Amino acid sequence: GNSVTQMEGPVTLSEEAFLTINCTYTATGYPSLFWYVQYPGEGLQLLLKATKADDKGSNKGFEATYRKETTSFHLEKGSVQVSDSAVYFCALLPGGSYIPTFGRGTSLIVHP
Amino acid sequence: DAGVTQSPTHLIKTRGQHVTLRCSPISGHKSVSWYQQVLGQGPQFIFQYYEKEERGRGNFPDRFSARQFPNYSSELNVNALLLGDSALYLCASSLDGGNTIYFGEGSWLTVV
Repeated sequence: GNSVTQMEGPVTLSEEAFLTINCTYTATGYPSLFWYVQYPGEGLQLLLKATKADDKGSNKGFEATYRKETTSFHLEKGSVQVSDSAVYFCALLPGGSYIPTFGRGTSLIVHP
Repeated sequence: DAGVTQSPTHLIKTRGQHVTLRCSPISGHKSVSWYQQVLGQGPQFIFQYYEKEERGRGNFPDRFSARQFPNYSSELNVNALLLGDSALYLCASSLDGGNTIYFGEGSWLTVV
């Protein structure tokens, strides 16, 4: 079956620190990969996506590269801000399917 | 343009009762999907509808049902509520059920 594994949180960083949130997946075929962000009390917002191997998704200073050989899609940001504090979800959508699979989420806390 | 809108935002129900949650997709979007997000977990897929037809169903009991109306809005119904149904219910819309979906802010259901 399909699954997404994210690193356990919370991840606690100081402002301007480098961020990495690990995500690995198991899927048949060639899925599309996504990162979503959820701010407190809100729904999920699409942060970035990649649809094929070696694609890099990027948005708002965040980026992630689709690595087929390691089945990974790690999220990175060079310099985090307090406003980046949120829960981040990695997700996959198998090719030809309409049913996504989400990871459990990783909470990020950024201190001033 | 308005995003995905859901109602009600919060509600409290008693075990055994029935609940109806509503969703209006982004204008022009023909696909609506529903997710259950239990605290501390990622969203779990419940249903997807496209052009008023059910296109996908997740691993949820028959107590959960949904429909999509001619204007593409949707309802999620849950019968015989259990304490374990307490969760954030998210609706998402997309043009055609493809890989870019937009979430609403969700309906918080508490079953007591």
